[in-house]
Amino acid sequence: SQTIHQWPATLVQPVGSPLSLECTVEGTSNPNLYWYRQAAGRGLQLLFYSVGIGQISSEVPQNLSASRPQDRQFILSSKKLLLSDSGFYLCAWSVGSLNEKLFFGSGTQLSVL
Amino acid sequence: AQSVSQHNHHVILSEAASLELGCNYSYGGTVNLFWYVQYPGQHLQLLLKYFSGDPLVKGIKGFEAEFIKSKFSFNLRKPSVQWSDTAEYFCAVKGGSQGNLIFGKGTKLSVKP
Repeated sequence: SQTIHQWPATLVQPVGSPLSLECTVEGTSNPNLYWYRQAAGRGLQLLFYSVGIGQISSEVPQNLSASRPQDRQFILSSKKLLLSDSGFYLCAWSVGSLNEKLFFGSGTQLSVL
Repeated sequence: AQSVSQHNHHVILSEAASLELGCNYSYGGTVNLFWYVQYPGQHLQLLLKYFSGDPLVKGIKGFEAEFIKSKFSFNLRKPSVQWSDTAEYFCAVKGGSQGNLIFGKGTKLSVKP
């Protein structure tokens, strides 16, 4: 069966420090991969999605970037974190058409201080 | 641009009460509609979805939702809630075949035993 792993679960980082959040999917090939952010009272905001290795689409201009070095690995990064990057980050995957049935990871709570 | 509006931030009900959570969207074309649910301590997961056909959609755990095109709505209903329905519920809309999945801000449901 398919599973999705996201780590770390919580992270506290100082302003200006780098960030790397990792997400891996098991049990499926060529998934669509997504990074969402959930800020308090603002719902889920799509940050990036990827339909294949090296293919990244960005939805919102920001301080973050994403990479997909392997088929089932999706990484969210920043060179220098801002206070406004604090939030709950969710990785998700789907197969077939984009944005249909998504399966979400457990999320990373990022606090930038 | 697409948007999704969930009317209630927090709903508190007693067991056996009926539930209706509102969801309205703005998009002029064909849409796919979803309700996702996040139970305490669990991953966000799909509750039900509408792509086409019968506008009354049945989901898991006795939930249903009705797509009313003229009202741009996709309200979630359950005739009799249980304590185990306590969760956060997210409405989501995908506009067109290539659209992104846009989430509402979510509604927290608390069911008192």
